[in-house]
Amino acid sequence: GENVEQHPSTLSVQEGDSAVIKCTYSDSASNYFPWYKQELGKGPQLIIDIRSNVGEKKDQRIAVTLNKTAKHFSLHITETQPEDSAVYFCAASAGFSGGYNKLIFGAGTRLAVHP
Amino acid sequence: DSGVTQTPKHLITATGQRVTLRCSPRSGDLSVYWYQQSLDQGLQFLIQYYNGEERAKGNILERFSAQQFPDLHSELNLSSLELGDSALYFCASSVGQDQGLYEQYFGPGTRLTVT
Repeated sequence: GENVEQHPSTLSVQEGDSAVIKCTYSDSASNYFPWYKQELGKGPQLIIDIRSNVGEKKDQRIAVTLNKTAKHFSLHITETQPEDSAVYFCAASAGFSGGYNKLIFGAGTRLAVHP
Repeated sequence: DSGVTQTPKHLITATGQRVTLRCSPRSGDLSVYWYQQSLDQGLQFLIQYYNGEERAKGNILERFSAQQFPDLHSELNLSSLELGDSALYFCASSVGQDQGLYEQYFGPGTRLTVT
């Protein structure tokens, strides 16, 4: 079945460094790739998303890249700050019976930014 | 604040009991999704409703059921509770029914503890 693999499971960086989280997906028809940030005790928050007709998207310190040929996409956070510490989830759309899509989530990456 | 509300925030109950979790979607959203997140686990999709009708099912147990009412709020019913049902339960909402087209916005979650 459809699968989204996310790496690494944990990531520790120094404040100011960059952080990169990578995901691979299995369904070649996937066309929507959101990223969520979940802080402790809160619900996942949509931080950025990309669609298959775009190779890269940026929003301030956050960027997402998509390689459809290799079926992988990545989240890049530059100039990390302690408040970036959270669990990050990637997701990819996949075909579903009924003719529409569902989201498949990765297992999450726990990012710790140390001052 | 995503605009999705969930009640209650916390729920403690005993094995064998039944509970109801409530969700109100963002204004204008017609789809409601339910997810389960166990300790240190990813997001497991349970079920989706769109404009009052069931649209998609994930890994939802037969002991669990949901419905969406005419005012678009949704309830998730969990019965014959087991210790393993202890988890965070999230509701999300989106404008449309296709998970590959429309962004999902998550609520703050309900933490269920079964003792």
